[in-house]
Amino acid sequence: DTAVSQTPKYLVTQMGNDKSIKCEQNLGHDTMYWYKQDSKKFLKIMFSYNNKELIINETVPNRFSPKSPDKAHLNLHINSLELGDSAVYFCASSQVAGYEQYFGPGTRLTVT
Amino acid sequence: SQQGEEDPQALSIQEGENATMNCSYKTSINNLQWYRQNSGRGLVHLILIRSNEREKHSGRLRVTLDTSKKSSSLLITASRAADTASYFCATDEINYQLIWGAGTKLIIKP
Repeated sequence: DTAVSQTPKYLVTQMGNDKSIKCEQNLGHDTMYWYKQDSKKFLKIMFSYNNKELIINETVPNRFSPKSPDKAHLNLHINSLELGDSAVYFCASSQVAGYEQYFGPGTRLTVT
Repeated sequence: SQQGEEDPQALSIQEGENATMNCSYKTSINNLQWYRQNSGRGLVHLILIRSNEREKHSGRLRVTLDTSKKSSSLLITASRAADTASYFCATDEINYQLIWGAGTKLIIKP
């Protein structure tokens, strides 16, 4: 059974479009995260949710918005996509914030 | 946000040799974690060491932590081809948010 899953795995779209990436975890964890990994492999946290409440919101553009319909899901919506948004986006979860995190397989977003 | 530093950036060794990579960080921490990322995959947690621990082992992995120097090292003994991956350290420096290093790319040559 996949612990943390993301869809889609690949996403190619044009500038200005709006897209969503879905994430689901079946681990019963209380905290979920979205990360962006750039071409140099730097991993930067974008958002984290604890029991459906946003607890960390890094200085990301407000074109990015996390949405959590329930504790097991944290989706990422991106409006007006820009070239600089091209990256790999990872969803992760943890039972306790600051401890072991479980990562999804990643979504490679390419904006043309 | 702060960024941990790892060295070397890349390491290439022969299968069977030991691999050591280092991580430095900037502020006080509760714990430090090491993760592995295979090409095209998500990160996988390897080991967590708490700030009051100095050394921890897990199979062929040995992690040390020196809080006075704000540094950690990951040793992989008797390396295998399957150990080829990028290795990242992460610390919970700010509000339990993990701050990540830039990673060490390890290549094991057969």
